[in-house]
Amino acid sequence: QSALTQPASVSGSPGQSITISCTGTSTDIGTFNYVSWYQQHPGKAPKLMIYGVSNRPSGVSNRFSGSKSGNTASLTISGLQAEDEAHYYCVSYTTSTTWVFGGGTELTVL
Amino acid sequence: QVQLVESGGGVVQAGRSLRLSCGASGFTFSSYGMHWVRQTPGKELEWVATIWADGAKSAYTDSVKGRFTISRDNSKDTLYLQMNSLRAEDTAVYYCARDVKWNPDYWGQGTLVTVSS
Repeated sequence: QSALTQPASVSGSPGQSITISCTGTSTDIGTFNYVSWYQQHPGKAPKLMIYGVSNRPSGVSNRFSGSKSGNTASLTISGLQAEDEAHYYCVSYTTSTTWVFGGGTELTVL
Repeated sequence: QVQLVESGGGVVQAGRSLRLSCGASGFTFSSYGMHWVRQTPGKELEWVATIWADGAKSAYTDSVKGRFTISRDNSKDTLYLQMNSLRAEDTAVYYCARDVKWNPDYWGQGTLVTVSS
């Protein structure tokens, strides 16, 4: 199972919106709505930001939103803030009863 | 609040074994599937293994099949990962995570495993 494809890095200025893509195949993202997104700051554990493609856990800012089209899921962060600077990872359940992560995207707030 | 605490990591020679533990609290452990996920020195996250809530079913990534065994003791609210025949490429921070709706939600703080050759 190959890793999901994410851009290595994205950047934006405070107040702007950015979108991080996560591309899989018909055996993972294309078949299931079991896609989650995580935020990870240096030295910390990943934190769940989006589950089930577009659902936000309690306590996560509504500036974070998720969507999916075909084999690609996306995470959008609006009103970018300095604290959003972190690594972001996607994950999907697969038809092989396994899970596959994306390679991670480093978000820089300029 | 949900808490997951990993332990058992350390430095081990290639070919040897190590057992990781993950103590859970703040939720009904026996009602949730559990994952082990590792993060390589290059910061990539890799799913390792999953065990269903009742322990009857488990799944593994191909690179650890036949070497790693995930298990759980629901009477002790504890998840385990027995790692045998360790290789240099198994070097990583190992996280345990709870499963909700077919994806990890809460994660522990991780335990570092270093395999020396």
